[in-house]
Amino acid sequence: DIQMTQSPSSLSASVGDRVTITCRASQGISNSLAWYQQKPGKAPKLLLYAASRLESGVPSRFSGSGSGTDYTLTISSLQPEDFATYYCQQYYSTPGVTFGPGTKVDIK
Amino acid sequence: QVQLVESGGGVVQPGGSLRLSCAASGFTFSSYGMHWVRQAPGKGLEWVAFIRYDGSNKYYADSVKGRFTISRDNSKNTLYLQMNSLRAEDTAVYYCAKGLGDGRGYWGQGTLVTVSS
Repeated sequence: DIQMTQSPSSLSASVGDRVTITCRASQGISNSLAWYQQKPGKAPKLLLYAASRLESGVPSRFSGSGSGTDYTLTISSLQPEDFATYYCQQYYSTPGVTFGPGTKVDIK
Repeated sequence: QVQLVESGGGVVQPGGSLRLSCAASGFTFSSYGMHWVRQAPGKGLEWVAFIRYDGSNKYYADSVKGRFTISRDNSKNTLYLQMNSLRAEDTAVYYCAKGLGDGRGYWGQGTLVTVSS
């Protein structure tokens, strides 16, 4: 099974800050990586897929990059509605997809 | 638009059974493999099970293998998860989801299962 790690596990930031979250896979996953945002009591929402492709309707302040085993999610200017938990998910090895443990972004 | 609506959650005693349903609409259900994913209170996301578009193959996480059964009825556009021999550690919100295998995941709102005496 492919294991996913994320760092940091949590961070505090202010509105307008640039935020970067890192996701690492235990083996190469050829950009088969998605990022989700989850708010309390809600289902995860897709932000990016194929490591860097923005899902329709998602603001352009979200971007993704990476290759091989290492990937990043960047929020260029944090907005109040962005305070949430973010998960990466690999789909290189299916159908048993795996998720990172999550990164909680809260208000400084 | 795509809609996934889970139901069937509730409180059950350890060792008990529960069947979850997921009603799908807004897409051709019979063309898509479907997943169940769970999230224990305050914890992360754990993949539970997958069924191919025609029900021909099913896959399970080791943590539920032999206890849970995923199935579907394409005539009713409905996905199921039969959960037997439930344990306290199965307490979670259970989500059905499409598209996780191609990175275009779409999730229902979830249904809470609580295993407690």
